[in-house]
Amino acid sequence: GESVGLHLPTLSVQEGDNSIINCAYSNSASDYFIWYKQESGKGPQFIIDIRSNMDKRQGQRVTVLLNKTVKHLSLQIAATQPGDSAVYFCAEKGLYGNKLVFGAGTILRVKS
Amino acid sequence: EPEVTQTPSHQVTQMGQEVILRCVPISNHLYFYWYRQILGQKVEFLVSFYNNEISEKSEIFDDQFSVERPDGSNFTLKIRSTKLEDSAMYFCASRAGGGRPQHFGDGTRLSIL
Repeated sequence: GESVGLHLPTLSVQEGDNSIINCAYSNSASDYFIWYKQESGKGPQFIIDIRSNMDKRQGQRVTVLLNKTVKHLSLQIAATQPGDSAVYFCAEKGLYGNKLVFGAGTILRVKS
Repeated sequence: EPEVTQTPSHQVTQMGQEVILRCVPISNHLYFYWYRQILGQKVEFLVSFYNNEISEKSEIFDDQFSVERPDGSNFTLKIRSTKLEDSAMYFCASRAGGGRPQHFGDGTRLSIL
C-alpha cells in the first residue's frame, strides 16, 4: 500500500518579524521539554529547554513558553533571520527514563 | 564547540546483511542514545545506554539490534540482518549528567536494497 508521510505545518514569516511555533505534547507526566532545529542534511540542533516547574525560559533571541494546563509548548523567535529557516521539533521526556518523544515538526520559512 | 560525529554519512546495504553504524559522542558525556527517522516520519527513540549497559529501549529495538561502547570514545549500533523497513536516518545523541540536553550528530542515512 502507499505509505503516508507527515504533512508538516509551515510557518512563513518576513525577515525581522517575530515567529511563534506551537507544539501540543501528549503526556501530562512529562517533566522536561526541549526544542530542536533541523536544517537540511543535518541532525537536530539544540535550541532551548524547559522543565515542568517553569512556565517560561529565555535564551538568545528565543523564548520557550510552557502551559501545562493545556499541554502546550511554544517557541518564540525574535527578529527572525533567513538562517532561522529550518524544521523545528519539540520533544518531551517523561518523569522516568531518558528517552525523548518528538513531535512532528514545523517548517519555518523566512522571506527576505 | 564539541559535537557528536557519525560515520558513515550514507550506508547502502543489501537486505539480510549486517550493518554497523558508528558514533563518537561528545567526550565528557555519560549518556548515549540512538534514534531513527524514517523518511517523512517523526524522530523515534531506539535505545539509551549508560554505565556500559542499556538503560531503556523501544519496541523497535528488537533482537536484531545491539549497541556497544567498545572503547572510551565510540558508540555503535549494529543491525544483524537488515530488512527493507530498516531504511532510515539514524541519529546518535549524547548528553552530560545533571539533566543536560541531548546533543545529536548529523546522522547516517541507511538504505537497504
